[in-house]
Parts: sequence; C-alpha cells; structure tokens
Amino acid sequence: DTGVSQDPRHKITKRGQNVTFRCDPISEHNRLYWYRQTLGQGPEFLTYFQNEAQLEKSRLLSDRFSAERPKGSFSTLEIQRTEQGDSAMYLCASSSPSAANYGYTFGSGTRLTVV
Amino acid sequence: QQQVKQSPQSLIVQKGGISIINCAYENTAFDYFPWYQQFPGKGPALLIAIRPDVSEKKEGRFTISFNKSAKQFSLHIMDSQPGDSATYFCAARKTYNNAGNMLTFGGGTRLMVKP
Repeated sequence: DTGVSQDPRHKITKRGQNVTFRCDPISEHNRLYWYRQTLGQGPEFLTYFQNEAQLEKSRLLSDRFSAERPKGSFSTLEIQRTEQGDSAMYLCASSSPSAANYGYTFGSGTRLTVV
Repeated sequence: QQQVKQSPQSLIVQKGGISIINCAYENTAFDYFPWYQQFPGKGPALLIAIRPDVSEKKEGRFTISFNKSAKQFSLHIMDSQPGDSATYFCAARKTYNNAGNMLTFGGGTRLMVKP
C-alpha cells in the first residue's frame, strides 16, 4: 500500500488523558499536513511540515497540541489533557511539489472520541 | 470566518440525473480550487481541480465551472450513479511564501443518488 497511513484508526480516551497519533506519508512526499474534521463539517487546517520543519500552524492548534516530524518521515500529533471538544477525525495528508495535480493525498484518519 | 461557502448541504438525485454543487469564496489570494469526494470512514480523495485562469474543466462525468469575477465555482456530475453517493467538499488553496499551501474547505454536500 503506497498511500498515507494513519494509526490508530479509532481512539477512545477519557477526558484529561494524553493521546498520540501517527501518520506515515507517501514516501516521496516531503510535505505533510494535519487537518481536523468534526462531524458534518469540512476538514480544518492544523499544521504543515516541509521535511522536518514545522512551517505553519493554525490558531486552532492550542498549546495542548503538539506535532513533530523527526527526520522528515513519519509525523506524530499529540494532544495533552484531552477535552470533549477534541473529539473529531484527525486527518493527515501529504503532497509533493512536483506532483502535477498539486493535490493532497489524505489518509483515512484517526477518529478520536473523548468521554 | 467561513471563507468558502458550499451549497446545498444535501442533495438527492435520480440515477442518470445531473448533480450540481456550488461554492463561493472570498479570498482573492486563493490560487487553486479542488473538489474532494469522501466516503464514510475514509479520508477525502481528490476528484478534480481547476486553476482560476480556466473557466471550465471536464474529466469524464465530472465538470468544474469557474467564474472568477463572481468568485464562484461549481461541480457538475453528469449521469449520476448510485456509486457517486458520498460527501463532496469544495476547497480553495492558498500558497505561502515558504511554498507550503493550505486548503480551506467548504462545509460539504451529502449526495444521494437514488437507483
């Protein structure tokens, strides 16, 4: 499978716990994005990496959220002290500047439920 | 502020009919306009996209019409099939100086094609 992989697919956690999600982009893609999608809404941009550098962050990304992309390969998104409002689908996407269509390739997402 | 407005929220079309979804944007800095198709439990998948210097783009049964002066664009699905039943998102891309880009999505249209 050469697509974008996300793990886990589903995560249920108690309020106040920390959670970490992983994204493995398409291997030749140097750009990686995190988006959040709540039920019935379009995805909202969270952050962007070019190789290992985090170059853009949305105001949606509060201090409880942190993302890393060590060595410019996989990426992790951590949410500390989860709140019920964090319940959403967290989508990872990757792209390449040489891609003819400029389009992202999204993973299937990690659905987070905070109880 | 919702920068990309999408309508309708839901759409029911008979098999063989034409599905039309409309979007309007505000930010003239957007430089690329993709449409995504999303099935339940999956991430969005790029369907078709258009640059603002083109008024129409057709790929198979899917056509984008783009009106730059009105800041509106629409997706037409010809000969709609039950397999087209999904949620469709329009999006608009903004490119940053660091060459990264961010997609702003519309709210989505849930399409149901009846057999």
